[in-house]
Amino acid sequence: DAKTTQPNSMESNEEEPVHLPCNHSTISGTDYIHWYRQLPSQGPEYVIHGLTSNVNNRMASLAIAEDRKSSTLILHRATLRDAAVYYCILSAGLSNSNSGYALNFGKGTSLLVTP
Amino acid sequence: EPEVTQTPSHQVTQMGQEVILRCVPISNHLYFYWYRQILGQKVEFLVSFYNNEISEKSEIFDDQFSVERPDGSNFTLKIRSTKLEDSAMYFCASSRDGGMSYTFGSGTRLTVV
Repeated sequence: DAKTTQPNSMESNEEEPVHLPCNHSTISGTDYIHWYRQLPSQGPEYVIHGLTSNVNNRMASLAIAEDRKSSTLILHRATLRDAAVYYCILSAGLSNSNSGYALNFGKGTSLLVTP
Repeated sequence: EPEVTQTPSHQVTQMGQEVILRCVPISNHLYFYWYRQILGQKVEFLVSFYNNEISEKSEIFDDQFSVERPDGSNFTLKIRSTKLEDSAMYFCASSRDGGMSYTFGSGTRLTVV
């Protein structure tokens, strides 16, 4: 499986933008880039995913480098509720294409948001 | 917003006992998964389930584990003879689109004593 590298932790002030980086230099042409987050004592939560083009949704934006070897999750205005571990994951295609993709979680980036 | 519901939220069991963890996935989802997270460690994939059969499983998912979708709404994980090292948070997840976006439940904390 292609691997991702993220900083262990980052800190942000409330109401400021946050840019969470992810390196994935061994990404294959068919790998999707997924971002999930895990708030304390909760299950992971889908944030966003993309393949080649930048993506926006109500939670965040995903900026993907032209060579796809890195990406950045952008939270436009951090709130205290955004304090979580953020995981950048490449889709691990399973042997049976009808079975969906298992997610290979790493250690992620622990985001601290201060008032 | 639709949710994946897991019960119980916390279960304590004695080593060697069987446990069944229950999940109700989102109703129009077709793909179902179990993951676990040992305290302080990474979230680990256990098994995926599609079209009423296991489609993929990890090395963790050995013969003591089994999954079932008994009635079209519930999705269960059974651990036949629990060990101390099975203590973890177990997360159920479901997906409509084959894994492009999962919805996870809040988890069941399993404590084996």
